[in-house]
Amino acid sequence: EIVLTQSPATLSLSPGERATLSCRASQSVTTYLAWYQQKAGQAPRLLIYAASNRATGIPARFSGSGSGTDFTLTISSLEPEDFAVYYCQQRSNWPLMYTFGQGTKLEIK
Amino acid sequence: QVQLVESGGGLVKPGGSLRLSCAASGFTFSDYYMSWVRQAPGKGLDWVSYISSSSDYTNYADSVKGRFTISRDNAKDSLYLQMNSLRAEDTAVYYCARAGIRQAFDIWGQGSMVTVSS
Repeated sequence: EIVLTQSPATLSLSPGERATLSCRASQSVTTYLAWYQQKAGQAPRLLIYAASNRATGIPARFSGSGSGTDFTLTISSLEPEDFAVYYCQQRSNWPLMYTFGQGTKLEIK
Repeated sequence: QVQLVESGGGLVKPGGSLRLSCAASGFTFSDYYMSWVRQAPGKGLDWVSYISSSSDYTNYADSVKGRFTISRDNAKDSLYLQMNSLRAEDTAVYYCARAGIRQAFDIWGQGSMVTVSS
């Protein structure tokens, strides 16, 4: 089973700053690497799919990169509504199963 | 609009059973793989199970294998999760989610709370 490790666990930044969130896999993953944002009391929202593609309606300040075992979510200039918890997720091909990272909490400094 | 709505959650005693439902609307349900994902209070996301578009394939997280059963009825645009032998550690909000482009979960329900307690 592939394990996803996100870092840091908590990131404290101010609006306008750049956020860099990391997701490392225990073994090489396919391009089925996604990022989600979750705010308190809400369902997760898809931000990035296939490592670097923004989902419909996601602002351009969100970008994803990486391949193999190392992936990054970057928020170029933080808006107040971006402070939330972020999860990475991968899909293994056989047997088909999904794994989430433990999450990174992005908080206002 | 594209929507998933869960129902069936509640309070159940350890060892008990519960069946969750997820009603889909606004898209061709039978075209998509579907999953259940849960989130224990204050914890992260935890994938539970998936089912292929025509129910040919399923898989489960080790933590629920042998106790939970996923199913779907494409004629009713509905997804189900039968949960048996429930344990305290199954307490969570359960989300149904659509596996869309590149198998990312692009549509989520609002969640259904399951509490296992005596």
